[in-house]
Amino acid sequence: GEDVEQSLFLSVREGDSSVINCTYTDSSSTYLYWYKQEPGAGLQLLTYIFSNMDMKQDQRLTVLLNKKDKHLSLRIADTQTGDSAIYFCAGYGGDSSYKLIFGSGTRLLVRP
Amino acid sequence: DVKVTQSSRYLVKRTGEKVFLECVQDMDHENMFWYRQDPGLGLRLIYFSYDVKMKEKGDIPEGYSVSREKKERFSLILESASTNQTSMYLCASRGVTEAFFGQGTRLTVV
Repeated sequence: GEDVEQSLFLSVREGDSSVINCTYTDSSSTYLYWYKQEPGAGLQLLTYIFSNMDMKQDQRLTVLLNKKDKHLSLRIADTQTGDSAIYFCAGYGGDSSYKLIFGSGTRLLVRP
Repeated sequence: DVKVTQSSRYLVKRTGEKVFLECVQDMDHENMFWYRQDPGLGLRLIYFSYDVKMKEKGDIPEGYSVSREKKERFSLILESASTNQTSMYLCASRGVTEAFFGQGTRLTVV
């Protein structure tokens, strides 16, 4: 089945760009998602990308998809202290059919 | 504004009780999911449903059951709560593209 991996921790200075990376095993996943979770809260959908796309931009967020390497990244431009949170990538479809499979999450710390 | 609503934000139950966690979505979504989230273990899929009355086991279904009698509602049932089921429970709902989460229910079993 699908396996999704992320690095555990990223620390950046306020105003810099952040890049959070994710790798996945199921190349037939149809949708890939990025979520943000603040302490004690549910998951907030940030953006998603369809598997036939290479890039998607939404304001400060840029998603890059490299299907050959099964690599997904989320770039946050001009990172703010309010961006400090845990970020999850998730894959849907393919061999995992109806399942929505998550990575372990990357904790982003933004230093003033 | 899309919405996935979980019936309780915090719950405290006793060992051996039957516990119902309710999740309602107002987006006419086909797919609904229940996860639990524990420190160091990430989100683990308990059960999911791809249509009314249809359900499939996720990765950790033991000790849980689910019910989907109506499209908008997906219930997670702990048949006999145990202390190792103390966790944050998250419900999600997915349509054609986007997948949204509820605010989570923090369940403590004492």
